Amino acid sequence: DAKTTQPTSMDCAEGRAANLPCNHSTISGNEYVYWYRQIHSQGPQYIIHGLKNNETNEMASLIITEDRKSSTLILPHATLRDTAVYYCIVRARGSSNTGKLIFGQGTTLQVKP
Amino acid sequence: DAGVIQSPRHEVTEMGQEVTLRCKPISGHNSLFWYRQTMMRGLELLIYFNNNVPIDDSGMPEDRFSAKMPNASFSTLKIQPSEPRDSAVYFCASATGGLSYGYTFGSGTRLTVV
Repeated sequence: DAKTTQPTSMDCAEGRAANLPCNHSTISGNEYVYWYRQIHSQGPQYIIHGLKNNETNEMASLIITEDRKSSTLILPHATLRDTAVYYCIVRARGSSNTGKLIFGQGTTLQVKP
Repeated sequence: DAGVIQSPRHEVTEMGQEVTLRCKPISGHNSLFWYRQTMMRGLELLIYFNNNVPIDDSGMPEDRFSAKMPNASFSTLKIQPSEPRDSAVYFCASATGGLSYGYTFGSGTRLTVV
């Protein structure tokens, strides 16, 4: 699976959009980009995933560049409860979902009042 | 849906004792994963199962660790004998072939070996 690079930490003002970048320059054509987050002391939580098109759900938006070498997770209106470690993971999606999910160090997002 | 259920939530044991962690995946999910998290090493995948069969146990640290999945609704991770360096939070996760919503993680078991 392709390796990802994320900033170690970021701050965001409450109510503003949080934009979390991820570089995955060695991504392969069949690899998806997944985002998870882990709020302190809890298990990781799935946020969103995509292949090449931009995606949006009730939690966030995922913007993937045309060359697929990087992506940005957008939390449109960050709240204090969005303070967490955010993980960007790239992996192939097998037909039977037998792939491993390997976590890096992630980005610690601190939302401030 | 109750989600992925892990027990116990906390476990304190003495070095050398056997420890068994338990996990009940979400009904209908056919993949199950065991992770370990420490400050130093982050989240590490230990082993995963597909349809109750172990697929990859390359992350299991040593022979003291073993995992089983006797049926689709239950899995155990056993450490025998336990050592202080095994102290960590152990997470179980389950997923289904559709992957529409990714993996679902349990709340974890915080293990302390003294």
